[in-house]
Amino acid sequence: DAKTTQPNSMESNEEEPVHLPCNHSTISGTDYIHWYRQLPSQGPEYVIHGLTSNVNNRMASLAIAEDRKSSTLILHRATLRDAAVYYCTPFYGGSQGNLIFGKGTKLSVKP
Amino acid sequence: DAGVIQSPRHEVTEMGQEVTLRCKPISGHNSLFWYRQTMMRGLELLIYFNNNVPIDDSGMPEDRFSAKMPNASFSTLKIQPSEPRDSAVYFCASSLSWQGASPLHFGNGTRLTVT
Repeated sequence: DAKTTQPNSMESNEEEPVHLPCNHSTISGTDYIHWYRQLPSQGPEYVIHGLTSNVNNRMASLAIAEDRKSSTLILHRATLRDAAVYYCTPFYGGSQGNLIFGKGTKLSVKP
Repeated sequence: DAGVIQSPRHEVTEMGQEVTLRCKPISGHNSLFWYRQTMMRGLELLIYFNNNVPIDDSGMPEDRFSAKMPNASFSTLKIQPSEPRDSAVYFCASSLSWQGASPLHFGNGTRLTVT
């Protein structure tokens, strides 16, 4: 099975940028990279996804390495509400179109 | 948009009983996924459907687990008989695509406790 590697935990100060890294070295050329976050007692929430180019939306930015073996989720100004577990998950397309979640990164935001 | 709706939110049952979890995907979404989450194993993909047809059920742990999608607006996950180790939060998610071009939208989950 393809795997992702993320730091177990990270800390940030409120209103500072946060860069959450993810390694997905076994990703194939057709696999999208998805990021989700999960607050306590809630289901995972979609954050952003991309294929090759960097992506921006109202929640975050996604920077994808040129070789696509890693990506970085960027929260431009962390707020207390951004404290959550963040999952990076390549979407293995083709005959195995599924999202497999790893352990994720627990982000703490300090006021 | 009501989002993905799961019921019940909480289910407590005794070992050996049948449990049925329900999911209503977002209207227009043609892919549906069932996940299970525990502290020990994290989020595990159990099965997913595309256009009501099961595509991959290799994550279903045992024959005691079965899932159906009789139409585009409803899916069930059944456990019969249930065991204490089935205690977990079960999530349903839907998407416009099963191949990654569209995001997954998750429900709030069903917390199952088997005593």
